[in-house]
Amino acid sequence: EDQVTQSPEALRLQEGESSSLNCSYTVSGLRGLFWYRQDPGKGPEFLFTLYSAGEEKEKERLKATLTKKESFLHITAPKPEDSATYLCAVQISGSARQLTFGSGTQLTVLP
Amino acid sequence: DVKVTQSSRYLVKRTGEKVFLECVQDMDHENMFWYRQDPGLGLRLIYFSYDVKMKEKGDIPEGYSVSREKKERFSLILESASTNQTSMYLCASSPTGTSIQFFGPGTRLTVL
Repeated sequence: EDQVTQSPEALRLQEGESSSLNCSYTVSGLRGLFWYRQDPGKGPEFLFTLYSAGEEKEKERLKATLTKKESFLHITAPKPEDSATYLCAVQISGSARQLTFGSGTQLTVLP
Repeated sequence: DVKVTQSSRYLVKRTGEKVFLECVQDMDHENMFWYRQDPGLGLRLIYFSYDVKMKEKGDIPEGYSVSREKKERFSLILESASTNQTSMYLCASSPTGTSIQFFGPGTRLTVL
């Protein structure tokens, strides 16, 4: 069965304390891996897409990486405004346009 | 900017009522999706549509139906609302050629 697992469920960091969020996947074939950010009471906002192992994407303090079994979202020197839930999703080969989402990591950055 | 709007931010309904949730996108996207989001379960796909009048079941279609009469509008219908359908409902759209989905703000539905 195709599965996407995110860890940890929740993470509290001090401002400036770098860390990583994990998204591991067990799928029959990966077409793409997506990272979204979701603020409380809002819909998810697209951050990155990764398509092949070894690929990396960066945006401000965020960097996403991909291996054959997992993806990491590295957060460097986070600020309180980075506090949000980060969602990982995969598009599986043969699944047309659907995405399968993990349950998310709730990140809190304390000033 | 892609804009996906949902008809209500908050909705309270009674058990057994028929409920309509509407979603409109303004970017001429072919694909539209309905998800529900529950704590600890993430986003689960209810239905999606890749063209007008076309629909496909997602992972949890039971108790729901959809309608897509126009390209920009995708409606989710709860035929007879039940308390276990209390949830956050999210609509998304994506253009052909990419699987990046753009989400609306969500509708928090409470069924009493």
